[in-house]
Parts: sequence; C-alpha cells; structure tokens
Amino acid sequence: EAGVTQFPSHSVIEKGQTVTLRCDPISGHDNLYWYRRVMGKEIKFLLHFVKESKQDESGMPNNRFLAERTGGTYSTLKVQPAELEDSGVYFCASSQETRSREQFFGPGTRLTVL
Amino acid sequence: LAKTTQPISMDSYEGQEVNITCSHNNIATNDYITWYQQFPSQGPRFIIQGYKTKVTNEVASLFIPADRKSSTLSLPRVSLSDTAVYYCLVMMDTGRRALTFGSGTRLQVQP
Repeated sequence: EAGVTQFPSHSVIEKGQTVTLRCDPISGHDNLYWYRRVMGKEIKFLLHFVKESKQDESGMPNNRFLAERTGGTYSTLKVQPAELEDSGVYFCASSQETRSREQFFGPGTRLTVL
Repeated sequence: LAKTTQPISMDSYEGQEVNITCSHNNIATNDYITWYQQFPSQGPRFIIQGYKTKVTNEVASLFIPADRKSSTLSLPRVSLSDTAVYYCLVMMDTGRRALTFGSGTRLQVQP
C-alpha cells in the first residue's frame, strides 16, 4: 500500500513568488493534516481536513496560506506571496479514523524562500 | 494542553536497551500518551501509544506509572538504524486532533 506522498520534495523560490505544495494521502483516509517545521523549530500543526471540509485551521499562520482539498482526495497548500520566514519543511499526514492518534506522515516538502 | 519534557539527546551503543523518559505533569484524565520516531529527511512515524501501565509492540514498550505524570519509552537492543529523534506527545481521546510536537529526544546509536 502506498504511503503519503508529497510533491515536490524540494522547492526554491524567491520572495514574493507563489508556491503550491501537493499532498496525496493514503487511499481511503478521510483525515488529512498539514504541519510545518520552520527554521529548526518544532513541528507545528497548520490545519486538518475531514474529507473536503476544514475541521481545524487554527494553526494557519496568516492569509497568505490557502489549503484546499477538493473532492476529498489530494490536498494543496498554496503560499502567496511567499516570505523568507516561510522557509522550512512542510509535512502532510493522513489518518483513517478521526479519533486515531496514529497519523501517517509523508516525507515532507522542503521550501526555501530566497 | 499538557506540556511534555524530555531529554534533548541521548547516546547509546548497539545492542543496548534505551529508555527515554518523558514528563507530562499536567496530563488530563482523557489524555493518551503517544510516541513518534523521526529519521532524517523523513516525516514522523507513529511508534506506540498508551493510557496506563504497560504497552508493548514489535518495536518498543511503553511504561506509564499509576499517576501518569511521566512515561518511559523502552527500545530493546538498539541498532544503528534506531538513530532518530523520538517525540513524546500527549493527546486527548476526542476533540482537537492536531499533534503537538516538542523538541524531542535525539538518540544517537554508536557501533
């Protein structure tokens, strides 16, 4: 069974540009999460989808970040415009049951904003 | 939200048993204790979870005393491939599903 996949694995952009990260969860997992680790700090939660609905977006840092999950399958996270402080690793995770404490993480997308 | 405290780093040698202790003094009644492992350039991976006493799986054991204010992750006979960061998380049984990661414990296994 394929795990959580993320694309791209690396992205280097200039400040002010737009970047879109993609996450494909494990097939059949209704729950999809986005996390990020910036500048060597701790991994922080961004938001949680249940199918196509945003269940919890309390971790989204500001309105430059837009997450979507149309159709309840893959998800995209768009950063527009990107700022230097957005550099870091963005992780996606999925789980089958909402109550599950076992989330399956992807390898992450390393974003560098110059 | 229960805060967790664990050692920043630990060193061990192949074949030894490693015990990583996590403090969570303000753990709530409905909180579960969960441990994740993260290898370099990978996302975190669930290892084990428990509520009280002892839980064992093919990877590790988790010991939780009666007061639940701490927990110990035990890795039997570590190998070089166990070199990773280990995170202790406290999570409610229901409600918000966001995982709250601390700094973790960086385990270095030497040959």
